[in-house]
Amino acid sequence: NAGVMQNPRHLVRRRGQEARLRCSPMKGHSHVYWYRQLPEEGLKFMVYLQKENIIDESGMPKERFSAEFPKEGPSILRIQQVVRGDSAAYFCASSLVQGTDTQYFGPGTRLTVL
Amino acid sequence: TQLLEQSPQFLSIQEGENLTVYCNSSSVFSSLQWYRQEPGEGPVLLVTVVTGGEVKKLKRLTFQFGDARKDSSLHITAAQPGDTGLYLCAGKNTGTASKLTFGTGTRLQVTL
Repeated sequence: NAGVMQNPRHLVRRRGQEARLRCSPMKGHSHVYWYRQLPEEGLKFMVYLQKENIIDESGMPKERFSAEFPKEGPSILRIQQVVRGDSAAYFCASSLVQGTDTQYFGPGTRLTVL
Repeated sequence: TQLLEQSPQFLSIQEGENLTVYCNSSSVFSSLQWYRQEPGEGPVLLVTVVTGGEVKKLKRLTFQFGDARKDSSLHITAAQPGDTGLYLCAGKNTGTASKLTFGTGTRLQVTL
């Protein structure tokens, strides 16, 4: 039973380029969460999605960041016109149901902006 | 904004010693999780505590949730080098039961 998968594991972009991070939840899970971890800091919630719906985007920066979880395929976190401050580890988690259900984390995508 | 403060921030001990990590907040949480994160990997869940005053044991690890559900502790007995890692507490509050609020983290190093 495969866990949460994220790709790529490492992504290097130059300032101004776009970054696309993918997350495939655990089999049967329909709830996806994205978190960002800046160097030497804890994880910060960004967005919570169910299939085709954004449920809570209170942690998403107002500009350049977007997320989707289509009916088919992985969840995508998109960062447009990346800046150096976007360099971080981005983690995806999934759960079977919402609320008190356990969130299982993927290995993360480490984004470096040159 | 809810905050979860962990202490200590760093801890370096020798194999066989005992240690306690604290996770404190001024907010009430409906549940609290403890995770361990290895370098280059995602957090791995260790335990979830839900009831105020609850104590859970996982081999040499003992987790306690405060009576008021605002704080928690992790105690490790006879630490081993394999316990080395970043320990993170994370809470779910009663208002928005889905997202996790993570603590600031405790980086533990256990040497021989």
